[in-house]
Amino acid sequence: QVQLQESGPGLVKPSETLSLTCIVSGGSIRSDHWNWIRQPPGKGLEWVGHIYYRGTAKYNPSLKSRVSISVDASKNQFSLSLSSVTAADTAVYYCARCGDSCYKYGMDVWGQGTTVTVSS
Amino acid sequence: QSVLTQPPSASGAPGQRVTISCTGSSSNIGAVYDVHWYQQLPGAAPKLLIYASTNRPSGVPDRFSGSKSGTSASLAITGLRAEDEADYYCQSYDSSLSGWVFGGGTKLTVL
Repeated sequence: QVQLQESGPGLVKPSETLSLTCIVSGGSIRSDHWNWIRQPPGKGLEWVGHIYYRGTAKYNPSLKSRVSISVDASKNQFSLSLSSVTAADTAVYYCARCGDSCYKYGMDVWGQGTTVTVSS
Repeated sequence: QSVLTQPPSASGAPGQRVTISCTGSSSNIGAVYDVHWYQQLPGAAPKLLIYASTNRPSGVPDRFSGSKSGTSASLAITGLRAEDEADYYCQSYDSSLSGWVFGGGTKLTVL
């Protein structure tokens, strides 16, 4: 079965760029749809963005000017880049998969999450 | 301030039935978009509980059920158990925002 594992630095300085990678195992990045979701400490879930291998990415409008998601099919992984970070970007970041359709099937596989703290 | 509105908390005694509501608008639930529900146990990643408003993924007990009507959806849990104590989130697509949105979450306490 498909498994996801997030990786990246746990500490990022303000104004710098946050970069995370999600490694996909047990399945192909070329199928399905892939998402990033984050959860600030003590708060709810926030959808960050989505990408499909053959399509363009969609982003949360509140983050659109700072966020980018890309796929590296050769490594079976996808990545998140969030620029000009502030303390408000401190959160647990999850990667998650939708099956054939995010609209129809929801996010059925999640990574364990990685904590990112923005601090100098 | 979430696009989808959930009550912040819910509670019930073991064995009871509890429902959690999720209220949206004509650009999300009230449109053709399905609702999905997630359970997040303390310290864990969210888990898909209900998809396409009423369907349970394999392995989810039939004590959990979902419904949708108009601009709202509901999650019902029957035969409440201590291990159901968790945060529950609804999710849908919003055409005005061109993206997926989550409810603010409901913390379920089993008394």
